[in-house]
Amino acid sequence: QVHLQQWGAGLLKPSETLSLTCAVYGGSFSRYSWSWIRQPPGKGLEWIGEINHSGSTNYNPNPSLKSRVTISVDTSKNQFSLKLSSVTAADTAVYYCARVYSHDYVWGSYRTFDYWGQGSLVTVSS
Amino acid sequence: DIQMTQSPSSLSASVGDRVTITCRASQSISSYLNWYQQKPGKAPNLLIYAASSLQSGVPSRFSGSGSGTDFTLTISSLQPEDFATYYCQQSYHTPWTFGQGTKVEIK
Repeated sequence: QVHLQQWGAGLLKPSETLSLTCAVYGGSFSRYSWSWIRQPPGKGLEWIGEINHSGSTNYNPNPSLKSRVTISVDTSKNQFSLKLSSVTAADTAVYYCARVYSHDYVWGSYRTFDYWGQGSLVTVSS
Repeated sequence: DIQMTQSPSSLSASVGDRVTITCRASQSISSYLNWYQQKPGKAPNLLIYAASSLQSGVPSRFSGSGSGTDFTLTISSLQPEDFATYYCQQSYHTPWTFGQGTKVEIK
């Protein structure tokens, strides 16, 4: 069974860097891509970005994240990490790590987030 | 970005009711549409992928349909454990985007 366990600092001051790590237990780490997704309190879900086992990344280009995101991977530990620099109150959210699973057919590949971490509430406040 | 719009934003229903939630994409996404269920304080849980395929372990009362820009999630007979918020998500093109959610409440 696959299990994702995440951790990181929960309280930050404006301008600091958010840092979260997600460890993957079970399954084959190298077969999949891995994502970070966030959810502001009482609001919807926003995809932050993803990484594969070789370190190739794909980030959300939207202004709310605008080049502040770095996702990295440590295959020796089956872990991946998120860094978000220059945080503001608008970055207050529950952050989730998730596995990207692709259902592959001749006519297309359907990507899903099939396993998720427990979530980490990160609060940005002076 | 592809915008995903769900309707309604919330609904009240009784146990045993048939419930339908709609999701509309701002452009055609073929059948690259997933549905998730989220309960308070928990991570989302994948229900449906590729618009109509049931994720392993998900009860058969959940079903999905649609293609192009219009999609529906149907719960054929609402159970007490189904009261939650439901999100659609497109996997057609990055950035992957979600609908704003539909909260299903007890009537």
